[in-house]
Amino acid sequence: KAGVTQTPRYLIKTRGQQVTLSCSPISGHRSVSWYQQTPGQGLQFLFEYFSETQRNKGNFPGRFSGRQFSNSRSEMNVSTLELGDSALYLCASGPSTDTQYFGPGTRLTVL
Amino acid sequence: AQSVTQLGSHVSVSEGALVLLRCNYSSSVPPYLFWYVQYPNQGLQLLLKYTSAATLVKGINGFEAEFKKSETSFHLTKPSAHMSDAAEYFCAVSERRGGNKLTFGTGTQLKVEL
Repeated sequence: KAGVTQTPRYLIKTRGQQVTLSCSPISGHRSVSWYQQTPGQGLQFLFEYFSETQRNKGNFPGRFSGRQFSNSRSEMNVSTLELGDSALYLCASGPSTDTQYFGPGTRLTVL
Repeated sequence: AQSVTQLGSHVSVSEGALVLLRCNYSSSVPPYLFWYVQYPNQGLQLLLKYTSAATLVKGINGFEAEFKKSETSFHLTKPSAHMSDAAEYFCAVSERRGGNKLTFGTGTQLKVEL
């Protein structure tokens, strides 16, 4: 099976812009989660979607949002970008609960 | 709330030596526990997981971990380190109910020396 794919792999934006990241889960997986990884804060959970519904949400401001489509593909959006949003954004997929498989990540740089 | 503590942000071992990476968790009920590895500029790769039953879990690349409820620990070991094991290792915990939400430790950077 193909693994989790994320596009784009690298992205450069300026402050105030918005960005959309995409994630295609492993075939058959209905759960998609997003994580932010930074040197200062480590790995932090953003949100999880299961069958197009947000099932869990982390402690991030409303500028961070996501959605999941009927084919389980997911997107996350960050509006009004700030310098501190520069990070590696990781997507993970799983069949339901207990195991998640991660994609390679999208490296976002905000200038 | 759940939490994970990884003792030692950097661990250095000689090639062929035992690898021991420590992880302690805090949870009101036995959680699911995971170890992931991250190589530079890559995502996270699942090494092994504890979800129920066997407390000694074997993973990929010769790694294993033992779930000890009394010590709230889930330490990762490998009998003989290889140069290719040099990477960052993350311990993570999630609740048994309520979907997928991983709480990660701060990571341990493993260095393998000749």
